[in-house]
This record gives sequence, structure tokens and C-alpha cells, in this order.
Amino acid sequence: QVQLVESGGGVVQPGGSLRLSCAASGFTFSSYGMHWVRQAPGKGLEWVAFIRYDGSNEYYADSVKGRFTISRDNSKNTLYLQMNSLRAEDTAVYYCAKVMGLSFDYWGQGTLVTVSS
Amino acid sequence: QSALTQPASVSGSPGQSITISCTGTSSDVGGYNYVSWYQQHPGKAPKLMIYDVSKRPSGVSNRFSASKSGNTASLTISGLRAEDEADYYCNSYTSSSTWVFGGGTKVTVL
Repeated sequence: QVQLVESGGGVVQPGGSLRLSCAASGFTFSSYGMHWVRQAPGKGLEWVAFIRYDGSNEYYADSVKGRFTISRDNSKNTLYLQMNSLRAEDTAVYYCAKVMGLSFDYWGQGTLVTVSS
Repeated sequence: QSALTQPASVSGSPGQSITISCTGTSSDVGGYNYVSWYQQHPGKAPKLMIYDVSKRPSGVSNRFSASKSGNTASLTISGLRAEDEADYYCNSYTSSSTWVFGGGTKVTVL
């Protein structure tokens, strides 16, 4: 069965950096695009970034463009999100999600990132 | 990248039908047949309920149906049950090669 397990969340100061990971299993990871989606406490879902199955293209929300980088290692079945210049408004649960067409069919359980001094 | 517009809350009694709207623009909802809907229970990850406007993934009850007209998509839950109480989010692919979610709708079963 498909499993997505995020890790790497924690507390970081404003301006700091953090790298999230998403370990995938139960499907051919190298054949599917992947997303990061976040949810601030008590708020709705916000799409963050997408990477194609082979890592050839990346797309970002305006709110994170230039600060966040999505990447993947197909040999390790792992998706990453490098987050730099973090702001208080980046505080959220970050989910990785597998692509099905242009929707998100499987989601991880999420990892909490808190940006606070 | 403005969020799609959903009502903040919708309620209904068990057995009734409710409909949640999701309004975007011609650059997202109206421009593509790539609207999806997600159910999220408190403290849980979202679950895909509808994709490509009106298709149901395997395992999703046929009490959930959806459609689109112009820039507005709609999700209907028929035969409302207690377990349907959750937050629901629409999502659309956009002309900028990005994705946008709606603000979410809290469904309450009275």
C-alpha cells in the first residue's frame, strides 16, 4: 500500500532554514510527480510546490518562490523541501502528496514546522 | 494565486443532501476539467473524494458526486451521515501551471 512519511519538522527562528523529507513506499516513486501542501494552524490547505516525476521541472506558489526548493532522489524514493529565509507565516503542517493526473491521491500524515523566536 | 471561494460552512440533517460550491475564474476552475475535492477530518490528512471534476476514486461512496458549470464547481453529498462531518476543500489546476485550493467548507451534520 502507498505510504508517505514526512520528517524534518521542528522549531526554527525567523530567517532560518529547514529541510523536510518525505519517504515514499508502495508505488514506483520515480514514475510520479509529487507535491508539497501546507496547512497553517486552524487554516485551510495551501499548495506549495510540485516536481515532475524525473525532477525535470518544478513549480512554486508565489508565497514561497525564491525561498523554497523542491527536489527528489528517485534512488532513495525520497522527496525534499528545502526551506530558507523562513517567516512566521510559514508556520504550518507540511504534507507531501502523490500525483494522480492533476489531483493529489495519497497524502502523508504531515510534519509541523514552527517559525518562532 | 487567489484562493477559490467556498462557503465557510454548510449543514444538514442525516439523510438530507447538501451542496458545496467552489468559485474560481476562467484561469482555473473555468478553464480546465481538473477540479478535485478533498475531505479532511480533524487532525487527519486530507482524502481525495473527487478528481477531474466528477470522477470518484475507488472506495469513495457514490453518495459523493460533483459537477462544474462555468467558473463554479459543486460537490454534493447525498444521504448525509454523521461520518461526513468534516472540512471539504476544492482544488483546481491553473493556467500558471500551479494549483489553488479553496478556503474550505465545514460540513456539520445536525
